[in-house]
Formats: sequence, structure tokens, C-alpha cells
Amino acid sequence: KAGVTQTPRYLIKTRGQQVTLSCSPISGHRSVSWYQQTPGQGLQFLFEYFSETQRNKGNFPGRFSGRQFSNSRSEMNVSTLELGDSALYLCASSWGNGNQPQHFGDGTRLSIL
Amino acid sequence: AQSVTQLGSHVSVSEGALVLLRCNYSSSVPPYLFWYVQYPNQGLQLLLKYTTGATLVKGINGFEAEFKKSETSFHLTKPSAHMSDAAEYFCAVSAPNQGGKLIFGQGTELSVKP
Repeated sequence: KAGVTQTPRYLIKTRGQQVTLSCSPISGHRSVSWYQQTPGQGLQFLFEYFSETQRNKGNFPGRFSGRQFSNSRSEMNVSTLELGDSALYLCASSWGNGNQPQHFGDGTRLSIL
Repeated sequence: AQSVTQLGSHVSVSEGALVLLRCNYSSSVPPYLFWYVQYPNQGLQLLLKYTTGATLVKGINGFEAEFKKSETSFHLTKPSAHMSDAAEYFCAVSAPNQGGKLIFGQGTELSVKP
């Protein structure tokens, strides 16, 4: 069974640009969550999509957005990039119940110059 | 609101020694608790989880954790450390009304000395 796949693995952008990250969940999983990981702030929840609807949202500015497609694949978009957006972005999928563990991809490392 | 506190950002043990990583949580509803491990340049891998039932849960690679409601703790232990256990460990909490949202602790980096 294939795991969670995130593309690309590495990205380099400059300030002011926008970026789109992609996540393919484990087959059958309907929930996809996104997290930002930085040395200073640790792992922070961005948002969760379930059956194409945003179900939960963290405390991030509106520059961070996402969507989920009918096949459960998800994309995350960050507009007007700032230096502080440099981070590892992790995607996780699950069946969608809180008692079910989330399965993580290896992440996309985003560097802002 | 939920929160997680991991005591000790760095823990160092000798190979063969007991591993104890501490996690305390705050939750207004009965929590779901998880421990994850992260190796360099990789995502997070689930070690174990507590949802309901038996408070002592066993996970992969010889790890176990005990849910203690009175102490709001969920400490992770392993009787004998192995060099391959060196990694970063994260405790996380969720709740029945939170779907796929996990709140993580700051992480504990475990070093294992030969």
C-alpha cells in the first residue's frame, strides 16, 4: 500500500512569489491535514480537508490556503511568500476520525531567498 | 483548548539504558494521545496511540506509554535504548471533535551514546 506522497521534495522561491505544494493521501483516506514545521515554532497545524471541505483551520494568515479534490488529493498554496515561510511542510492523511492515527509524508522543504 | 508540553528538548542516554521521554497534556475533553518519531529528512512515523481502554499501550520498536489521567501525562518509555533510537520524538493530542487536527509538543531530541 503506497504511503502519503508529497511533491516536490524541495523548493526554492524568492520573497513575493507564490507556491503550490501537492499531497496524495493513502488510498481510501478522506482526511488530509497540513502542518508547518520550523525550528522555532515546531509543528503547527495549518488546516484539514475532509471530503473536499475545510473542516479545521489553524492560526495562519490568509496567504495560506488549500483545497482538496474529489480523489482526496490536496494542494496547499502560499501567496506573497515571506522569509519566515521557510519551513518543512508536512501533509498527513487519515480516515478522518480523531482516534485514527495520521500518516505523514516526507514533506516539502521550502526555502525562501 | 488543547496543549502539549514535552519536558526536556534534549535527552541523552547510554545504549542499553532506560529511555524516558515526558509528555503532559491539557485537554477539556477526553484526549486521544499519540507519540511520533521523526528521523532526519523524513516525515513523522507513529510509535503508538491511546484512544480508550487499556491505559498502558505498546507500540513499535519496543516503546510503550502509559496514560495517567490524574497526572495528565503520557510518558514514553523503552527499557533498553538502541543506537537506532536516536531521533526526535513528538507527543501529540487530539480530541473526538477535532477530526484530523493534531496539537504537537515541541519535541524531544533523543541521543544514544555507545
